[in-house]
Amino acid sequence: GIQVEQSPPDLILQEGANSTLRCNFSDSVNNLQWFHQNPWGQLINLFYIPSGTKQNGRLSATTVATERYSLLYISSSQTTDSGVYFCAVGTLSSGGYQKVTFGIGTKLQVIP
Amino acid sequence: KAGVTQTPRYLIKTRGQQVTLSCSPISGHRSVSWYQQTPGQGLQFLFEYFSETQRNKGNFPGRFSGRQFSNSRSEMNVSTLELGDSALYLCASSLVQGEAFFGQGTRLTVV
Repeated sequence: GIQVEQSPPDLILQEGANSTLRCNFSDSVNNLQWFHQNPWGQLINLFYIPSGTKQNGRLSATTVATERYSLLYISSSQTTDSGVYFCAVGTLSSGGYQKVTFGIGTKLQVIP
Repeated sequence: KAGVTQTPRYLIKTRGQQVTLSCSPISGHRSVSWYQQTPGQGLQFLFEYFSETQRNKGNFPGRFSGRQFSNSRSEMNVSTLELGDSALYLCASSLVQGEAFFGQGTRLTVV
């Protein structure tokens, strides 16, 4: 099956710093999402980004599908950005249905 | 628009028992997927249902099963619980294919 690698696995930032999280995938994908998992476990949708670039406030994401990677940028980080960031890719199964595979996540800690 | 609702939020069960978790998707979404999250294995896909039919299944033993009702609500069942089944179980809903939205999860502890 498809491999999804996220880097770095852990990241500690000073409040106000910028960061880039990376997601590499080993095969063509149907779609790609970035999530933030809050301390209570819920996965919060950040971006649905099969290709191209999107921005939402201090966050932006870029997916280059032809080169099989996606980047999540966090600017002017805040303590509330702490948590685990997941990349998830959707691929089509042999039956033509979508299967979603998650990376292992990047654990981000923003310190005041 | 209501989000994905999972019940119960927390559950404690004894080894050997069985458990049923529920997931109500976003109105209009017909696809419901289930995931297990553990510290050691990360987020693993369990199965996906669409229009009451299981379309995809992950690599889990037969003790894990699910179903979907005509209103798209889904349940997953785990029989003969083992300590290793302790995990956060997440449900996601989506339209046919595309962006998935997750519920808050059910945290299951097996003692």
